[in-house]
Amino acid sequence: AQTVTQSQPEMSVQEAETVTLSCTYDTSESDYYLFWYKQPPSRQMILVIRQEAYKQQNATENRFSVNFQKAAKSFSLKISDSQLGDAAMYFCAYSSTGNQFYFGTGTSLTVIP
Amino acid sequence: DVKVTQSSRYLVKRTGEKVFLECVQDMDHENMFWYRQDPGLGLRLIYFSYDVKMKEKGDIPEGYSVSREKKERFSLILESASTNQTSMYLCASRASGLAGRTDTQYFGPGTRLTVL
Repeated sequence: AQTVTQSQPEMSVQEAETVTLSCTYDTSESDYYLFWYKQPPSRQMILVIRQEAYKQQNATENRFSVNFQKAAKSFSLKISDSQLGDAAMYFCAYSSTGNQFYFGTGTSLTVIP
Repeated sequence: DVKVTQSSRYLVKRTGEKVFLECVQDMDHENMFWYRQDPGLGLRLIYFSYDVKMKEKGDIPEGYSVSREKKERFSLILESASTNQTSMYLCASRASGLAGRTDTQYFGPGTRLTVL
């Protein structure tokens, strides 16, 4: 079974600084997809960024980028120039050929003004 | 934009009551999901459906059932609510096929259920 591990239950970052959230996963598949989701307090969960495993280039979306290390099965999220609105719970997720997603336990990010 | 709506944001029920949580999506997605979210445990899949009247058990189906009579609607049913079912319930939908493989799941706003 696929597992997704987020080893940092809580993280904090100063406003305007950079923070990296860690995620590792376990799979025997070669073709799969990885996602980072953001869940602000009392608000809807939304997609931040996605990565296809067959692509070597790391995905970027504005201030958000990933460091995808396929051999190490690592998928970290880097948030640059952190803003107060980045404060949220962040979930890493894995999906393969089936319908299911597998989620990590989440990292709660605090942004300090 | 995809819209996934859930019938209630907050719900308070008593032990033993039958509880219905409704989810509706407007993107003609084949796949719909019900998750339970608890602190420190992340999201755990209860049930999912890949077509009308079709359902598959997820990781924690005990105590729950589901119904999908129409493509856009997926209901989660707690036959006899218990206090350990107090949680946040999230519904999601996703496209199927080749496009669906790379596509995200779209989430509803969640229903915070308290069972007293």
